[in-house]
Formats: sequence, C-alpha cells, structure tokens
Amino acid sequence: GQNIDQPTEMTATEGAIVQINCTYQTSGFNGLFWYQQHAGEAPTFLSYNVLDGLEEKGRFSSFLSRSKGYSYLLLKELQMKDSASYLCAFTRNQAGTALIFGKGTTLSVSS
Amino acid sequence: GAGVSQSPSNKVTEKGKDVELRCDPISGHTALYWYRQSLGQGLEFLIYFQGNSAPDKSGLPSDRFSAERTGGSVSTLTIQRTQQEDSAVYLCASSSGGSAHEQFFGPGTRLTVL
Repeated sequence: GQNIDQPTEMTATEGAIVQINCTYQTSGFNGLFWYQQHAGEAPTFLSYNVLDGLEEKGRFSSFLSRSKGYSYLLLKELQMKDSASYLCAFTRNQAGTALIFGKGTTLSVSS
Repeated sequence: GAGVSQSPSNKVTEKGKDVELRCDPISGHTALYWYRQSLGQGLEFLIYFQGNSAPDKSGLPSDRFSAERTGGSVSTLTIQRTQQEDSAVYLCASSSGGSAHEQFFGPGTRLTVL
C-alpha cells in the first residue's frame, strides 16, 4: 500500500523558521513534491526532490531522504502571507504521473 | 499565457442527477489530471491522461465517475447519479508531460450535492 503523513497544524511567528515534516511509504517512488495552498485557492508548486539532499529556493528549502521515506519543508523568515496549507505529495514509478497527496499541514503565522 | 481553467466554478445539484465538469488545460500540455478535495481531506487522485495513451483510471471511486479528453485538450469529468458524498472541490491540473514534474492546477469546481 501507500501512505503519507504530515502534521495537521502548526503555528509560528513572523520572522521565525518552521520545519514541516512528511513521511511516506510506497512500493514505487519517483519524486517528492511540496505544494502551497491558500484557503479557497488552487495549490501552487513549491519544490521537487528526486535525489537525496537539500534543495534551496529563496526562503524555502526542501529535503529528501529516500532510504528513510522522509522529507521536510523549511520556511525561513516567515511572513504573514505564508499562512497556508502545505501539501506533501509523491509520484510513483515515473515522472509525470499522478500525485499522491498527504492531508496537508495548515500553518498559521502570527505577528 | 492562460492557466488551467475550469467550469463551472460552483455547481449545486440534487442527489441522483448527473453533472459534467469541464477542464481546459494549458495549451500544449500533454498530461491532464483530475483530483478531488473533500473537507478535511487531502487531494485525492481520480484519473490521469497522458497524450494518446490509455488513461490511468485507478483513482476513480466508483463506476459512476468517468472522464474524457477530446482532441488531447479539453477534458470533461462526468459524475452520474450524484450522491451527497460526492460533494467536494474537483481540481484539474496539467503538465507538459514526459520528464516534467510540475503540475499546474486550475481553480477547481465546488460541487454540492443536496
């Protein structure tokens, strides 16, 4: 079977750093994705990891360990606009196939 | 250029009626996906089209659900004999396929079955 877990909710303050963890189990794995979804809006792509290690993109970084079935999204210098749901997802077997999503982590950033 | 568009944005229907939801992918994108998002649940994969290949229907929850993609572009998701548990936001996404990975999502259709 396949399974993907991430915390339901997290809170943080402006300017802080937050790490959102994601663990997954699947019989076939191609790559790990993070999407951001503001309330009432469509998900937007944040990052993609296919190899082990850290991918950095501005204030956001994503890490993958294939052997441990583990990823995290790191958000630095938090801003109020970062309040959103963060969705962890993977593709099985090959690139371009369907995304298998976790339930998402709702992040609330306060001043 | 234009992003993924979906219509209608909202649909309210009575239990037992059929509904059709439309998706216009980004021009030139060969891959098209349908997902649904129920309250408190993650996005759930429904069906995936890639070029002229047979679609991956493994996510469709029942035989009341079907989808077509005509001419490799526009797609229609049809739900027959709707049930209250079909109420959800139905999201369409497209990508350029092949080794590309980023999927671009449309704004979704919010379906409410009374």
